[in-house]
Amino acid sequence: DAGITQSPRHKVTETGTPVTLRCHQTENHRYMYWYRQDPGHGLRLIHYSYGVKDTDKGEVSDGYSVSRSKTEDFLLTLESATSSQTSVYFCAISRAEDEKLFFGSGTQLSVL
Amino acid sequence: GESVGLHLPTLSVQEGDNSIINCAYSNSASDYFIWYKQESGKGPQFIIDIRSNMDKRQGQRVTVLLNKTVKHLSLQIAATQPGDSAVYFCADPGGATNKLIFGTGTLLAVQP
Repeated sequence: DAGITQSPRHKVTETGTPVTLRCHQTENHRYMYWYRQDPGHGLRLIHYSYGVKDTDKGEVSDGYSVSRSKTEDFLLTLESATSSQTSVYFCAISRAEDEKLFFGSGTQLSVL
Repeated sequence: GESVGLHLPTLSVQEGDNSIINCAYSNSASDYFIWYKQESGKGPQFIIDIRSNMDKRQGQRVTVLLNKTVKHLSLQIAATQPGDSAVYFCADPGGATNKLIFGTGTLLAVQP
């Protein structure tokens, strides 16, 4: 998966608990993204980063925050998980803003 | 609003036949399009891309055609194989974030 590692691969948590998903890349790509994938909605952008400590919101950012303290790591945090955040989360990277994305294997998150 | 959509949610083809997956886009300013393949339980995998200064681009067993007049692109897979069974997405930069917007996908089912 193009040098992208997502952890954990699966997680079950309870409503109201904080959750952090990690994306690690070995490609030294500048851009990193978090998407969620839900039936009927396809892939939707949550947040993205265009460099260390440079992040911005995507189309479905409410309830999520991100951090990027190093080029290789991009963290997605659900401060207080809700059942609507049950989804498959994909991290992606790209070398430039207008170039193709490479995706990780995904994290299946279930919020009960 | 701007969106990327697909004409058919499911496409069933016989092994050995050619497959054509269609995609319509609404952002006339889009100048870059990407096709992804997603197998069950995996992240999207880049197949082929095309920029708007081209009408056609060929890869290994795949061809993407772009018709800017009607804002339509298609992915053609020659001699479809069982390993081609997957969900196929088209994507283009669009929306407020100018990041990739994905359609909901077409499921390609290859019958032996």
